[in-house]
Amino acid sequence: SQQGEEDPQALSIQEGENATMNCSYKTSINNLQWYRQNSGRGLVHLILIRSNEREKHSGRLRVTLDTSKKSSSLLITASRAADTASYFCATPTGGNNRLAFGKGNQVVVIP
Amino acid sequence: DTGVSQDPRHKITKRGQNVTFRCDPISEHNRLYWYRQTLGQGPEFLTYFQNEAQLEKSRLLSDRFSAERPKGSFSTLEIQRTEQGDSAMYLCASSLTAAEAFFGQGTRLTVV
Repeated sequence: SQQGEEDPQALSIQEGENATMNCSYKTSINNLQWYRQNSGRGLVHLILIRSNEREKHSGRLRVTLDTSKKSSSLLITASRAADTASYFCATPTGGNNRLAFGKGNQVVVIP
Repeated sequence: DTGVSQDPRHKITKRGQNVTFRCDPISEHNRLYWYRQTLGQGPEFLTYFQNEAQLEKSRLLSDRFSAERPKGSFSTLEIQRTEQGDSAMYLCASSLTAAEAFFGQGTRLTVV
């Protein structure tokens, strides 16, 4: 079953602007992951945040996790045209044997 | 390239035909997953192997679907008597732990 629900679903921004997207989940987790998918391609792992972490940075990415609200956000700073992609949050489920993905956020960065 | 490899990248088949997809995981990864993704949706879990053992199967995996990982290395996913509803991207992923999963480029199936 899908656990993550991203918000907003689609985002169009100018190059150089920041892009923020949110994800909510329903059950307790030990980590939350964000993936990027370019059109028609596989998913690329971006960042993992553990349940005992509140914020994590990786290059131009900043992820927050609020376990009390069961939500996470992904911020991409100083966006580039190459950031145009769909972004998915995913949480381990089924005894950590699989990932439950949300529907994804489509981000378009206009040069 | 030592990433996850899937073959073929695209497959067009007529309804009722059987198709088989192959996944070669990263060599040291003992965990292998199959997911299915339809347009505008996130990937949905199909099945999971640890080494050669198939430990979990989704209810999405009807009796027309079968997956194998005979020697704990590559895996195959077969769909028998394909239906138009089977049209989707089939993604394979592998990992060492339950954390980060590495995905292949996927096989896009079109059933006509």
